[in-house]
Amino acid sequence: SQKIEQNSEALNIQEGKTATLTCNYTNYSPAYLQWYRQDPGRGPVFLLLIRENEKEKRKERLKVTFDTTLKQSLFHITASQPADSATYLCALGAGGFKTIFGAGTRLFVKA
Amino acid sequence: EAGVAQSPRYKIIEKRQSVAFWCNPISGHATLYWYQQILGQGPKLLIQFQNNGVVDDSQLPKDRFSAERLKGVDSTLKIQPAKLEDSAVYLCASSPFRENWGQYFGPGTRLTVT
Repeated sequence: SQKIEQNSEALNIQEGKTATLTCNYTNYSPAYLQWYRQDPGRGPVFLLLIRENEKEKRKERLKVTFDTTLKQSLFHITASQPADSATYLCALGAGGFKTIFGAGTRLFVKA
Repeated sequence: EAGVAQSPRYKIIEKRQSVAFWCNPISGHATLYWYQQILGQGPKLLIQFQNNGVVDDSQLPKDRFSAERLKGVDSTLKIQPAKLEDSAVYLCASSPFRENWGQYFGPGTRLTVT
């Protein structure tokens, strides 16, 4: 069956370091992949979308890579700040906008 | 630009009662989604509308859940009768009909079934 795996353990890093979050998937061939941020008690906020024919995409301090051979996406936050502390969700999409979300990884950035 | 609006924000009901949630998407967004998010899990798609029509409702428990989208704009999601396992946050999201856009979520409705 289709499966999306994100690290269930929280990621703790020091302010200023680069945070790297992983999204692995199986039995699925997504046309694109999205990353969202979710704060407690709020809805997810869209951050980035990367297509299957793109290797890398950047937005300000964010960078996403997409390796369809490894079936993996990496999400990087450079120069991390305490305000980046949140849960980060990856979501896989296929034609017709059907989207499947992972369970998310909690990131804690310590000052 | 106004975001996705949802109401109510919180609802507590007893099992076997009915409940309805309302969503107003971002103006001009053709696609509307309803998700269920259980604590510690990612959002699970319940139903997806494209304008007035249903694109995907494969994970909607149709014996108790129903949804409609009025005139391709607002939407309501109803649960009747509710079960304890329906306790979750119900999220509404919308997106334009373009693949290079993500989904824009509302704040959600937290439902507690006792």
